[in-house]
Parts: sequence; C-alpha cells; structure tokens
Amino acid sequence: NAGVTQTPKFRVLKTGQSMTLLCAQDMNHEYMYWYRQDPGMGLRLIHYSVGEGTTAKGEVPDGYNVSRLKKQNFLLGLESAAPSQTSVYFCASSLRGGRGHNEQFFGPGTRLTVL
Amino acid sequence: DQQVKQNSPSLSVQEGRISILNCDYTNSMFDYFLWYKKYPAEGPTFLISISSIKDKNEDGRFTVFLNKSAKHLSLHIVPSQPGDSAVYFCAAREYGNKLVFGAGTILRVKS
Repeated sequence: NAGVTQTPKFRVLKTGQSMTLLCAQDMNHEYMYWYRQDPGMGLRLIHYSVGEGTTAKGEVPDGYNVSRLKKQNFLLGLESAAPSQTSVYFCASSLRGGRGHNEQFFGPGTRLTVL
Repeated sequence: DQQVKQNSPSLSVQEGRISILNCDYTNSMFDYFLWYKKYPAEGPTFLISISSIKDKNEDGRFTVFLNKSAKHLSLHIVPSQPGDSAVYFCAAREYGNKLVFGAGTILRVKS
C-alpha cells in the first residue's frame, strides 16, 4: 500500500497562474482533507470531503477549489495563484467518523512557491 | 482566534530525560485530542490520542494527560531519544472528524 500520495512534490508559480494538486489514497477511506502549513500557524484546513462527489469548506477556503470525482482522489485547484498561497500543502485521508478518533493519514506534502 | 495553542515553539532535552510538551485549547466541544509527529520533508504521523472522557492514555514511552477543567493537555516522552527530535503538533477533533491543529513545538533531544 502506498498510503497517501501527492503530486507534484515541488512547484513554482508566477502570480496569476493556475495549477492543480493531486492527492490519491489506496486505503478506501471515505474522508479526505487538504491542509496548508505555514510557519507559526500549524496546519489549517482548506477544504474536505466526506465522500465521493461531496466537498465542504474548511477554515481557510478562499482562493482554492476542490473536486472529489473518484473516492480515491481529491484535487486542490488554485485558479489564480497569489504570493499569499506560498505554503506547504498536505493531503490527508481517514475512515468515516464513528467510535475512536479515526486517525488521519497524511501525504508527504507539496511545497508551492508563488512569485 | 486560535482554538488550540502550543505556547512553546521549541524544547531542548538531554537524551534519557523526560520531554514534556504542552497544549491548551478553548473549545469545550472537542471530543478527542491527538498528538502528531512530523519529520522534515515528511507528512505528520499520528502518535497518540486521548478521548475527552479520559484523563490519561499511555503507549510505551509516550503518555498524554488531559486536564479538562484547565483545558490543558500534555505529552510526556520518557526516556527521550535522539530519534524523537521532530516537530510535535497537538490537535483537537471537532465534528466531522475535522482536526484543529496547534502551531507545533520543535523538540530537540541531545545525545
């Protein structure tokens, strides 16, 4: 099992360019999440999905869009990149909520720089 | 306003001694609290959790204590090892299995 994978690992964009970050998981998890990590801020939830075809906003959704067309994939899009979106992006997945804490499994991250 | 706070950006401990990492929260509705560990250039990995109805959970060298009245939890690592050097994130779970993370504490274990 590969777990959670993210592509690309690194990317440099110019202001106004667009891009899509891909997250894939092979654990048959229902829930998937996109976070961004910034110095001194911890991880902040951008968007999440509780199942195929569903998405919802997290704490910092502005400037991002997401899609979950297949259960195993969760895409994060930046339509017009801004320097404030320079960050490390992490994808995670988990089983459906229920008993126990339902551990979130994280990918290795994508380091994005917007010039 | 941050709902989960880790007020110590870094901590340095001698190998073999105890490491204590602290976390404070404000939302009484959190039902689980978790600690994640992160090495450079890797994603966070789950370390240990505690239900809001418990006050202690132990797993090997790692113990998490929860004080609900003070809205405070701590992670104890005994004995600390050089391989424990990493960033430790405190997280709290809200509805929908969403996590709210603290800013993290960098732990350095010196040999």
